[in-house]
Amino acid sequence: KNQVEQSPQSLIILEGKNCTLQCNYTVSPFSNLRWYKQDTGRGPVSLTIMTFSENTKSNGRYTATLDADTKQSSLHITASQLSDSASYICVVKDRGSTLGRLYFGRGTQLTVWP
Amino acid sequence: EADIYQTPRYLVIGTGKKITLECSQTMGHDKMYWYQQDPGMELHLIHYSYGVNSTEKGDLSSESTVSRIRTEHFPLTLESARPSHTSQYLCASSEFGGQGDTQYFGPGTRLTVL
Repeated sequence: KNQVEQSPQSLIILEGKNCTLQCNYTVSPFSNLRWYKQDTGRGPVSLTIMTFSENTKSNGRYTATLDADTKQSSLHITASQLSDSASYICVVKDRGSTLGRLYFGRGTQLTVWP
Repeated sequence: EADIYQTPRYLVIGTGKKITLECSQTMGHDKMYWYQQDPGMELHLIHYSYGVNSTEKGDLSSESTVSRIRTEHFPLTLESARPSHTSQYLCASSEFGGQGDTQYFGPGTRLTVL
């Protein structure tokens, strides 16, 4: 069964600290993996996308990694800011359908305290 | 910032009412999607469209219906709302629908049925 599991479910850190969010997936055949940021009451916004051959992708203070062999990804946030408080969703796309089916994780709720 | 809009942002209605959630995008995207998201849970695809006059049901069974008469407009209708329909509804669009395609999300409509 195709699934996307994220950990931790929630995380509280102090402003300026770093953190790492985890994503494990069983989606096969794999196409790509995205990390989305969803602010409260808003729609998700894409942060990074990685394909099978990529193992690191950065977007400012966000760095995503992918290990396609172990089917694991992480999102590292450096020097956190209050505006980083949001839900971070791991989304995996399969390669086995015309639509390109997306499998969503439940997200990690990150809270950054001053 | 994606040019995809949803109205209303919040809606509280009584059981049995007919409602239409509006979604419009100005990016000229052919592919559009409706997702349902409960708090702390993953997004579930309920409807999608490849283009004008094309609509398909998603993975999650839904009593809602959709129409696609114009490229930019993808409204979702509930003929008789029930408390079980209480949820957040997210609309998204994408240009190609292919493997590298990005889905852009609207801000969502939070529906409460009393």
